[in-house]
Amino acid sequence: EAGVAQSPRYKIIEKRQSVAFWCNPISGHATLYWYQQILGQGPKLLIQFQNNGVVDDSQLPKDRFSAERLKGVDSTLKIQPAKLEDSAVYLCATGQRSYNSPLHFGNGTRLTVT
Amino acid sequence: KQEVTQIPAALSVPEGENLVLNCSFTDSAIYNLQWFRQDPGKGLTSLLLIQSSQREQTSGRLNASLDKSSGRSTLYIAASQPGDSATYLCAVRKTLSYNTDKLIFGTGTRLQVFP
Repeated sequence: EAGVAQSPRYKIIEKRQSVAFWCNPISGHATLYWYQQILGQGPKLLIQFQNNGVVDDSQLPKDRFSAERLKGVDSTLKIQPAKLEDSAVYLCATGQRSYNSPLHFGNGTRLTVT
Repeated sequence: KQEVTQIPAALSVPEGENLVLNCSFTDSAIYNLQWFRQDPGKGLTSLLLIQSSQREQTSGRLNASLDKSSGRSTLYIAASQPGDSATYLCAVRKTLSYNTDKLIFGTGTRLQVFP
């Protein structure tokens, strides 16, 4: 099966600019997560979708971050305006509805804010 | 609050050694535990998933154990190879509600296997 696709792979922007990341899940995966991984740390959950609805965005800095999942398939994560501390790898993970199944991660988007 | 710790933070071993990576978590009320591998610049690859009712899972040269009551998991790698060099992350899955869950990661163990 095709894996989780993410784009772009790399992005360099200046602070206060905006940026968007895109994720295409594995076909049939109902749940989709966005994680932020700062260098040297484990990934931290930003937002979770079940189909096209948000089920947990408690860790999302909503003053600057937003995310949507159109028609329960592709998802975009946006940062506006970016700060230096947003430099990280943004990972998309998807899974089947059952918690018994493993999560599958994309290769991530590496964001550098200068 | 669930915290996940991995020891050691880094490990360098010669090829052929058997090695153990450790993961501990503070809250034993987990749904399952998953071990991942992360290569530099890449995403995470799932290695093994252990349900909370299971004690261990095996895949090839990898064996993962889970002791939920003591909050510990180990990843055993037999006959290590240079290709095993990567960062290994453990993550516990907690269900927060009927449709909300959270995967909480450790900070990882960076493994280098030299020829």
